[in-house]
This record gives sequence, structure tokens and C-alpha cells, in this order.
Amino acid sequence: GNSVTQMEGPVTLSEEAFLTINCTYTATGYPSLFWYVQYPGEGLQLLLKATKADDKGSNKGFEATYRKETTSFHLEKGSVQVSDSAVYFCALSDGASGNTPLVFGKGTRLSVIA
Amino acid sequence: GAVVSQHPSRVICKSGTSVKIECRSLDFQATTMFWYRQFPKQSLMLMATSNEGSKATYEQGVEKDKFLINHASLTLSTLTVTSAHPEDSSFYICSARDPAGAHTEAFFGQGTRLTVV
Repeated sequence: GNSVTQMEGPVTLSEEAFLTINCTYTATGYPSLFWYVQYPGEGLQLLLKATKADDKGSNKGFEATYRKETTSFHLEKGSVQVSDSAVYFCALSDGASGNTPLVFGKGTRLSVIA
Repeated sequence: GAVVSQHPSRVICKSGTSVKIECRSLDFQATTMFWYRQFPKQSLMLMATSNEGSKATYEQGVEKDKFLINHASLTLSTLTVTSAHPEDSSFYICSARDPAGAHTEAFFGQGTRLTVV
């Protein structure tokens, strides 16, 4: 079945450090890939997405490239801020329909210290 | 963009009582909605898929009689935690996807923090 594996946290970085959170997936067909962010006490918000191979999703300084050859969708940011502290989830849709839930990784907690 | 609204954001109830959580899709008609449970510092656990006009599909290990789901309209799904106990205390989140697209993202409600005392 479809699955998502992302690096386990927690990850602690100093402000302005470079961030990478690894995400790999297993899927049949042609999935779409997503990164979601969850701030404390809130629901999930879409951070970025990519719907086909070699697409790059980007938002708020974050970016991720859909790599079919390595089945990966790693999240990167060149310079993190304290306000980026949150839990990040990688997810995929199987592309079958909009009536199926996304498949999520276990989440990676990021703490950025000043 | 599409919005999913969840209410209430926080609720405290006494052990043995029932609590209803509402999830509304504001910008699109959601034939399907999803209910998740999240324990502290842990991942999302899919509890059930709510289907408009038919019975919900529960994930293995989720008690159907404990967590009642009703999807009475194309914009509203409700989760009722019946006879709540302290171990039901958790963060519950609903989600919906626009059924028109297979590659669309999921939109999430703000979550409900349930505390059973």
C-alpha cells in the first residue's frame, strides 16, 4: 500500500540555520505530494504541494521538489526563524479520487531557538 | 481558498456525558470528510471516513458506538463522543477534500481539544 516515511524529530536549529526534513514515499500510480505545517494547538495548514514529477512546490521560503527517481519530497528552507517552530507533515494522495484520505508521515517537530 | 470550520475549539466535559463536534466545509460540497485523533506529540490517527448519506467507514480498532459520525448534508459532518471517559481526552481534527479533483489537497479544521474530567 501507499506510505510516507519522514525523518524523526525532534529537530532543533538555531535561527538562520538551513533546514532539511527528509520525506520518502511508496505509492502506485502517480501521487500528488504535500507538506503540511501544524502550529501548537491548531489544525494542519497546507504549506506546499507538487502534483507531478520534477515539480517544485514553494511557499514562505520553504521548498520541496518531487523526485520520482528517488521517490522523495524533501522539505528545505535556507534560513529558519523562530516562528517556523511547528510540526511538519509530509503526505501523499493516491490520485484515485478526492474521496480518499491523504496518507501522512508521522510528523517532524521543529524547534528554532534564537 | 476552501475552508473547513470546526467547532468547538475546546470543550471540557464530565465523565459519562456526550460531546458533539461539528465540521463544516464552507466553500465546497464535501461528499466525504475525515476524522482524525492526535495524541500529544504524536502523529495523526485516521479514525473514520464520513460519507454523506451513508454510514461512516471506521478504521480498525475505532469503536463505532463510542465515536458516532453523522454526515447529514454535503457541508456538515459531526462526531459525537458518547459516554466520554478521561482516556477519550485528545485533540480531534476533521478534514475534507474537494471531490472534484483527485490531486487536490485536504483542508483541515482548527481542531477540537477535548478534556474529560
